[in-house]
Amino acid sequence: GAVVSQHPSWVICKSGTSVKIECRSLDFQATTMFWYRQFPKQSLMLMATSNEGSKATYEQGVEKDKFLINHASLTLSTLTVTSAHPEDSSFYICSARSRDNNQPQHFGDGTRLSIL
Amino acid sequence: QKEVEQNSGPLSVPEGAIASLNCTYSDRGSQSFFWYRQYSGKSPELIMSIYSNGDKEDGRFTAQLNKASQYVSLLIRDSQPSDSATYLCAVIKSGGSYIPTFGRGTSLIVHP
Repeated sequence: GAVVSQHPSWVICKSGTSVKIECRSLDFQATTMFWYRQFPKQSLMLMATSNEGSKATYEQGVEKDKFLINHASLTLSTLTVTSAHPEDSSFYICSARSRDNNQPQHFGDGTRLSIL
Repeated sequence: QKEVEQNSGPLSVPEGAIASLNCTYSDRGSQSFFWYRQYSGKSPELIMSIYSNGDKEDGRFTAQLNKASQYVSLLIRDSQPSDSATYLCAVIKSGGSYIPTFGRGTSLIVHP
């Protein structure tokens, strides 16, 4: 149980392109979803938290107009990196958690984004 | 003081030994504790959850929680080379936003 599917696994695109990443909870209702970014050999960095039907809460220093998050249903959240540039290249990971806030979050497989 | 602290390692143990990974946290009201394993280039995967003081065992893994001393540990018995990974401790504080706080992780190397 508690399977989270993230798509695509990797993206290579030109600078200026917008990229959408999908995160789906396959066998549970994800009331809360988290989006992380991780650079090589560094820690997970939380970008934003989203609750179904509400606007995402962004961490300090994360541009909400750059990283658009939508969590319109209990099984799907999307992250759109708008007008991506080489410095946006990173490993983006989503995670999802059920309604019980004390339960663990379950991670998707991540999306490796490379901007040329 | 960081909210969740882990020794970055690497912790190197021989195959078959017990690996002991430690995590301390600053908020005394924390109530939910998790251990994740992250292989290089992969996303984290949940190993254990623990909520009350004492030990919780699952196969070769044992999580230990001591709320009075504000630490949580993970023991891996009969360590295998496939256990080589970074182990992340995550803590949820009480009465807050319920956003888990992660430690920086401990790198474990199990050598044959």
